Amino acid sequence: EVQLVDSGGGLVQPGGSLRLSCSASGFTFSIYAMHWVRQGPGKRLEWISAISTTGDSTFYADSVKGRFTISRDNSNNTLYLRMSSLRSDDTAVYYCVKVTSNNWYDYWGQGTLVTVSS
Amino acid sequence: DIVMTQSPESLTVSLGERATINCKSSQSVFFSSNNKNYLAWYQQKPGQPPKVLIYWASTRESGVPDRFSGSGSGTDFTLTISSLQAEDVAVYYCQQYFSTPVFTFGQGTKLEI
Repeated sequence: EVQLVDSGGGLVQPGGSLRLSCSASGFTFSIYAMHWVRQGPGKRLEWISAISTTGDSTFYADSVKGRFTISRDNSNNTLYLRMSSLRSDDTAVYYCVKVTSNNWYDYWGQGTLVTVSS
Repeated sequence: DIVMTQSPESLTVSLGERATINCKSSQSVFFSSNNKNYLAWYQQKPGQPPKVLIYWASTRESGVPDRFSGSGSGTDFTLTISSLQAEDVAVYYCQQYFSTPVFTFGQGTKLEI
């Protein structure tokens, strides 16, 4: 059974940093691209970052470029999102997502809530 | 980025009746080389992550009831629930996966009974 377990969220002050993790199991993690998607309160789902199978290629939405860093550890089946210079509009539930070979999302983590507030 | 616009934003349908949700993309998501539309539909119930229902605009994911169907091509798409059940109360999102890797979503349609 495919499982994605998101963790690392919490309350952080504006300007602070946080690292999210996504532990994957039930599939061959190293052969699938992975994405992070977030959902702010009352907002639509927003793609924020993607990483290739090897981690050599990474992509970011303009809203997080230069502040967030995606990475992966294929030996430990874990996806990461390092977030810095956090702002109030980064408050959201963050989901890690498995991407099929044809690019739609077939599995989602349960989400981890990040609240940026003083 | 490709902008996805759904209508209506909310919808109230009686049990057993048909529900129709529309999705329009700001540019075509049809890829002529494989004759496929890069459009997916997701269902999100309260407190849960989204779940894929439909991909390639009209292909049902394994395990999805056949009352869910997708149609459309190019820039205009529709999700239809043929006979609404109580468990179908959710928010529905369309998503384009044409412009790799920036996969944009519609704003969501809240379906109620």
